[in-house]
Amino acid sequence: QKEVEQDPGPLSVPEGAIVSLNCTYSNSAFQYFMWYRQYSRKGPELLMYTYSSGNKEDGRFTAQVDKSSKYISLFIRDSQPSDSATYLCAMKDNQGGKLIFGQGTELSVKP
Amino acid sequence: SQTIHQWPATLVQPVGSPLSLECTVEGTSNPNLYWYRQAAGRGLQLLFYSVGIGQISSEVPQNLSASRPQDRQFILSSKKLLLSDSGFYLCAWMGQVAGELFFGEGSRLTVL
Repeated sequence: QKEVEQDPGPLSVPEGAIVSLNCTYSNSAFQYFMWYRQYSRKGPELLMYTYSSGNKEDGRFTAQVDKSSKYISLFIRDSQPSDSATYLCAMKDNQGGKLIFGQGTELSVKP
Repeated sequence: SQTIHQWPATLVQPVGSPLSLECTVEGTSNPNLYWYRQAAGRGLQLLFYSVGIGQISSEVPQNLSASRPQDRQFILSSKKLLLSDSGFYLCAWMGQVAGELFFGEGSRLTVL
């Protein structure tokens, strides 16, 4: 079993839809949770990170962590064609462990 | 602000040829630096990381090596490339807040 599981998609939605991207994990020691966006042929870009449980909002993006279920989500409201990219989740503990990445979910937002 | 540069952006090399990919970071001192490889349609594979000059940790035994000759320079090398070395190579530095990584634009290597 991988430490971090992420559905690779692809996920296709119409413009304006609410998108939900998810990851599950097995290591209960993970405390930092991150989401990256990667456009085709570019390096991943950090979107946001959260510490421990709870929600964090940044514009149209909301990150949610449920440590009891070992489940994290990224919601994108009013999705735009420019949101079309691969989204990777990543997480680590607070003891100096390595950042563990999910496989990434490919998202396509159709005009 | 911090920036990270990688070059070359694209490289096509024959099997058996040498490789050198370079990465430099600006705007920060003594960063932890990382080399990842991303194969088509797959996740990120950590290859090497470095916590300081001359300090290299290898995650995956393979045909590649890394060096850190200066504080903000990280180099990925190979003496003889294999077909399986093709991929998208990413350099990253670690932030201080949450252990977050900041990636460069990547170097796409095709071995023929």
